[in-house]
Formats: sequence, C-alpha cells, structure tokens
Amino acid sequence: QKEVEQNSGPLSVPEGAIASLNCTYSDRGSQSFFWYRQYSGKSPELIMSIYSNGDKEDGRFTAQLNKASQYVSLLIRDSQPSDSATYLCAVRGLDMRFGAGTRLTVKP
Amino acid sequence: NAGVTQTPKFRILKIGQSMTLQCTQDMNHNYMYWYRQDPGMGLKLIYYSVGAGITDKGEVPNGYNVSRSTTEDFPLRLELAAPSQTSVYFCASSRQGINTGELFFGEGSRLTVL
Repeated sequence: QKEVEQNSGPLSVPEGAIASLNCTYSDRGSQSFFWYRQYSGKSPELIMSIYSNGDKEDGRFTAQLNKASQYVSLLIRDSQPSDSATYLCAVRGLDMRFGAGTRLTVKP
Repeated sequence: NAGVTQTPKFRILKIGQSMTLQCTQDMNHNYMYWYRQDPGMGLKLIYYSVGAGITDKGEVPNGYNVSRSTTEDFPLRLELAAPSQTSVYFCASSRQGINTGELFFGEGSRLTVL
C-alpha cells in the first residue's frame, strides 16, 4: 500500500512568519515529489517540484527532500494572508499519490 | 492551448443512474489520471493511463470504469451511481520523462448523487 502522510492541520501562523509543512511516504521506489496549493473550490496548482535529495528554493518557498528518511517538507518564508490555502504533498512512483493536505491560515 | 478540459462542471444524479465524465487534453501528454476529492480531504486516485489503450486501477476504482482510445481523451464512467460517489472529480495529465511529471489539472466536476 503506497501511503502519503501529511502533518495534520490546521496550521495557523502570523503574517511574516515561517510556515513548515511536512510529508512522509511509504513507497521507496518514488522518484518525484511535488507540493500543490489548493484554494477552496479550485483545482490544485503546482508550487514546487523536487527530484533529488537536498533543498530547492524558489522565491519564498523551499522544498526539502530526504529519500533515506522518506520525508519531504515545504517551508514558506514571510508568510502572507494570500498563502492561506490547503497544501497537498504528491509523490510519484508508477502513479501519482496525494496526501490528505494541510490547511494553512496566515493571520494578518 | 486549452489544457485539460472537463465536462460537465456540475451534475446531479439519482441513485442507480449512470453517466460519463469527459476529459480531454491538448498538450499531447501520455499520462492521464482521474481523482476524486471528498470535502476536507486530499485527492484519491481512481484510474490512470500511461498511454492510449492502457489503463490501470488506482486507490479507489470500484464503481468506475475508464477507457483511453486516443491520447487526448480519458472518459470516466460511473455505473449505478451511489451516494458514496458524491464528490468533486479532477482529471489531470502529465508528460513523463527525467525530472518531469507534474500534473496539469482540469477545473473539476462536482457530482451529487441523491
């Protein structure tokens, strides 16, 4: 059974703080890892992709991957109220599986 | 490019009815997927396809069928609709390769079974 687990929310942070989102996966054959953001009533949109161990930075977002620990994380620096959404971790092996999502609220 | 197009956007079914959710993509992607999303939950994979003529089950295939006769189209068939199939359905596509594979999503189809 291929499982993708995310830290349970909801998560609330003040504006300007760092939001930390975590994800673990069970399939050691997984090759690619993604973070999607989903606003209420909308489709998921890609925030970050990461394919090799280490950190990947894109603006205020940093994804971290540790394949040995089967762990993926997303850091959002200088959080803004517009970052309030549900964040979905996705893991690709033969198919693409999603975690249950973590709802983030950034309070002004 | 329209990307991934799903129809209908909304549909109400009675228990026992059948219907097909349509999905088409114009990006020449080889992989296509159907997910369902229940309120407050993540996406559950129903079926996926790695190319025309090839389909495979995901996490929650029971009560659904798919076909992939062309690269562009990947319809999802619901037979004998049940209230448990009330959900939002997302179709997605991706291109596979080294360091690729992100999903492109349609806008979703909201289905209610009464």
